[in-house]
Amino acid sequence: QVHLVESGGGVVQPGRSLRLSCAASGFTFSSYVMNWVRQAPGKGLEWVAVISFDGSEKHYADSVRGRFTISRDNSKNTVSLQMNSLRAEDTAVYYCAKGSVSYTGGYFDYWGQGTLVTVSS
Amino acid sequence: IVLTQSPGTLSLSPGERATLSCRASQTLSSSYLAWYQQKPGQAPRLLIYGASNRATGIPDRFIGGGSGTDFTLTIYRLEPEDFAVYYCHQCGNSFTFGGGTKVEIK
Repeated sequence: QVHLVESGGGVVQPGRSLRLSCAASGFTFSSYVMNWVRQAPGKGLEWVAVISFDGSEKHYADSVRGRFTISRDNSKNTVSLQMNSLRAEDTAVYYCAKGSVSYTGGYFDYWGQGTLVTVSS
Repeated sequence: IVLTQSPGTLSLSPGERATLSCRASQTLSSSYLAWYQQKPGQAPRLLIYGASNRATGIPDRFIGGGSGTDFTLTIYRLEPEDFAVYYCHQCGNSFTFGGGTKVEIK
């Protein structure tokens, strides 16, 4: 069955960087888009970034564009989120979510359990 | 596209019917509307896609409907495990989520 496991979360100071990873299994990873979605404590869901099946197309939420970079390694079945210039408002649980299609778009049919990122001095 | 969910909280008893609303700020193809369920401390789970199609393993008491700008999720005969937060989601113009509706035990 589909399994997504995020890692890399932790406590980081404002302005610093952090890299999240998501290991995928149970499906043909190289055929589907992958997304990152975050949820601030006690708040709703916010889509962060998406990458197409082959990594050729990437899109970002306005709130993170220019600071975050999504990437994938289809040989290792992993998707990553490089987060730079972190701010307090980036504090959230970050979820990796599988898309239902190959190119950007589609709903999110499987989710990981999430990894908590806390930005604090 | 902005998605507005109502009500914010729904207080109901087991066995009752829950009707959740999701209104889009512009016309949305039904193909691009999904619903998720999230329980405390857990990741969201896909319930409905394409406005009315149940995801794998989702009981038939969950019914999605609507078109255009108005979509609904109806849960018939609430079970104890259905008390959770529900989010609508559009994937037709970038991606946005509604603010969520909490279904709580009355």
